[in-house]
Amino acid sequence: AQSVTQLDSQVPVFEEAPVELRCNYSSSVSVYLFWYVQYPNQGLQLLLKYLSGSTLVKGINGFEAEFNKSQTSFHLRKPSVHISDTAEYFCAVKKAAGNKLTFGGGTRVLVKP
Amino acid sequence: GAGVSQSPSNKVTEKGKDVELRCDPISGHTALYWYRQSLGQGLEFLIYFQGNSAPDKSGLPSDRFSAERTGGSVSTLTIQRTQQEDSAVYLCASSSGTGETQYFGPGTRLLVL
Repeated sequence: AQSVTQLDSQVPVFEEAPVELRCNYSSSVSVYLFWYVQYPNQGLQLLLKYLSGSTLVKGINGFEAEFNKSQTSFHLRKPSVHISDTAEYFCAVKKAAGNKLTFGGGTRVLVKP
Repeated sequence: GAGVSQSPSNKVTEKGKDVELRCDPISGHTALYWYRQSLGQGLEFLIYFQGNSAPDKSGLPSDRFSAERTGGSVSTLTIQRTQQEDSAVYLCASSSGTGETQYFGPGTRLLVL
């Protein structure tokens, strides 16, 4: 079975500063990797995904993530955050041949002015 | 186009009552998923439907939980004899036949008193 660990439960950051959200996974088989964002009282919105190919993946809203197979990591970054980036972020994995997503515990980002 | 919709958005019920939660997937999506988001357990997979195949029920926490998908479209998640620990946000997602990206609805927030 696969598992996902998001190392930080909360990340406070000042507006226009960079942010990195850490995600590590474990799996014995090939996986696809995802980052979702959840704004208050809303569902999950896909930020970006890694299926194969280039290990640097660019997503919406200026976010990017890098897949590191040797470190089994998929950290999310944004060079300059906005107040509107305040939300909870979830890393998820899915077996390449599977269907269900396995989620990390989430990282709550609070952007301060 | 229209995204995944769920109803009701909020549901308050008394312990012991049955509840039904509805999900309308994106038109043309053949795969449908239910997840539960709770404070104690995070985001958990519940059940998966793909076309006319038998559903993957491996995530259902007890036999009080059941789901069906009629006509390959709308799905209903039923919880019988609700317990306080069933209080959570129930999220529905759908994906195309390739099954790589799951698109989530806004969720149903269930509170069992």
